[in-house]
Amino acid sequence: GAGVSQSPSNKVTEKGKDVELRCDPISGHTALYWYRQRLGQGLEFLIYFQGNSAPDKSGLPSDRFSAERTGESVSTLTIQRTQQEDSAVYLCASSLARHPEAFFGQGTRLTVV
Amino acid sequence: DAKTTQPPSMDCAEGRAANLPCNHSTISGNEYVYWYRQIHSQGPQYIIHGLKNNETNEMASLIITEDRKSSTLILPHATLRDTAVYYCIALAGTALIFGKGTTLSVSS
Repeated sequence: GAGVSQSPSNKVTEKGKDVELRCDPISGHTALYWYRQRLGQGLEFLIYFQGNSAPDKSGLPSDRFSAERTGESVSTLTIQRTQQEDSAVYLCASSLARHPEAFFGQGTRLTVV
Repeated sequence: DAKTTQPPSMDCAEGRAANLPCNHSTISGNEYVYWYRQIHSQGPQYIIHGLKNNETNEMASLIITEDRKSSTLILPHATLRDTAVYYCIALAGTALIFGKGTTLSVSS
């Protein structure tokens, strides 16, 4: 595709349910990033993939959060047993390896009720 | 990665130059300075990056001091559409870590 695609664009879930957020990076981009942005706050780094390995998982806030990536394509961020504080926009970005220009998707707005 | 410091907010009149400062006094020799911006309700957008030379592209200019401890992003003719949060990031490889940035408000 022309850009980074994220799905769903909006997700409302009940507290305690699991959710999966999907990111389709730009074709050929080997680096992929996940961020979280709570309402009115800055971007919080979650995890970074180079290919399908994750050299930096330092931002995952708890063991309820996990992410995987298939080859150098789609990535899934999974949040188990969602809590209200998980409500945020989850942003995905991709870039060529060691390239400064990362392209961001429009995000998935997650609301936990 | 080096920590960066930016003013929380700035105002600029439409058509004037917007000069956004960034302090990165602990930057190391191999760390680049990157600038991104985030317009309300959108994902961040890359603007420009540099190592030690000044850089210019169609969006902005980046001026880096000789000692590399600070830099300035210049939007030469700000428009209302440039109203956004501007992030200055210093890193060498791996992930972009965003700070709080500067909220630039451009008014007519």
